[in-house]
Amino acid sequence: AQSVAQPEDQVNVAEGNPLTVKCTYSVSGNPYLFWYVQYPNRGLQFLLKYITGDNLVKGSYGFEAEFNKSQTSFHLKKPSALVSDSALYFCAVRDNGGSYIPTFGRGTSLIVHP
Amino acid sequence: NAGVMQNPRHLVRRRGQEARLRCSPMKGHSHVYWYRQLPEEGLKFMVYLQKENIIDESGMPKERFSAEFPKEGPSILRIQQVVRGDSAAYFCASSLGLAGEETQYFGPGTRLLVL
Repeated sequence: AQSVAQPEDQVNVAEGNPLTVKCTYSVSGNPYLFWYVQYPNRGLQFLLKYITGDNLVKGSYGFEAEFNKSQTSFHLKKPSALVSDSALYFCAVRDNGGSYIPTFGRGTSLIVHP
Repeated sequence: NAGVMQNPRHLVRRRGQEARLRCSPMKGHSHVYWYRQLPEEGLKFMVYLQKENIIDESGMPKERFSAEFPKEGPSILRIQQVVRGDSAAYFCASSLGLAGEETQYFGPGTRLLVL
């Protein structure tokens, strides 16, 4: 079975400060991990993914995420937040040894204050 | 290089009517997925299709809901005799290959409102 948790419904950060959006997962095999962003009344946009290799993954719009196998986490980070980063962020996981359909988290609303 | 297209973007139906949601995948993509998003909830998987085949419909309600992806034309999600609880945003995604390590690309969604 595969599952993913985004423990924070909302994250507030001041513009220019670093941001972190948390994601933890549970799989039986090896995980494929994804981050997506959703702006109001829009579909999900792909940000980045971890399949294998380097634990630090760099993606679109200056975002990056670090795969931590021991903590089963894949937190999304950005060194300096922009007001335009305010959106809903979804983490997704797929168990390499199980279902081929990713499971999505409930989403975390990121609010960047000017 | 058009992305995933969905129409209509907004759909209003009265209880008991039928809703038809259309999805055209990205060019070259033959794998289509439908998800439902309710307020304050994440995306819930409904069905996964390849051309002319339903591969996994484990997330789709057994009654009133059906999906198809014909050889020609868009994928269709059909909801018969809609009820108020069907009101949600329905998203379609496509991928080049099986959504293992392949990235899913999402359409803008269809927001269904049942009166």
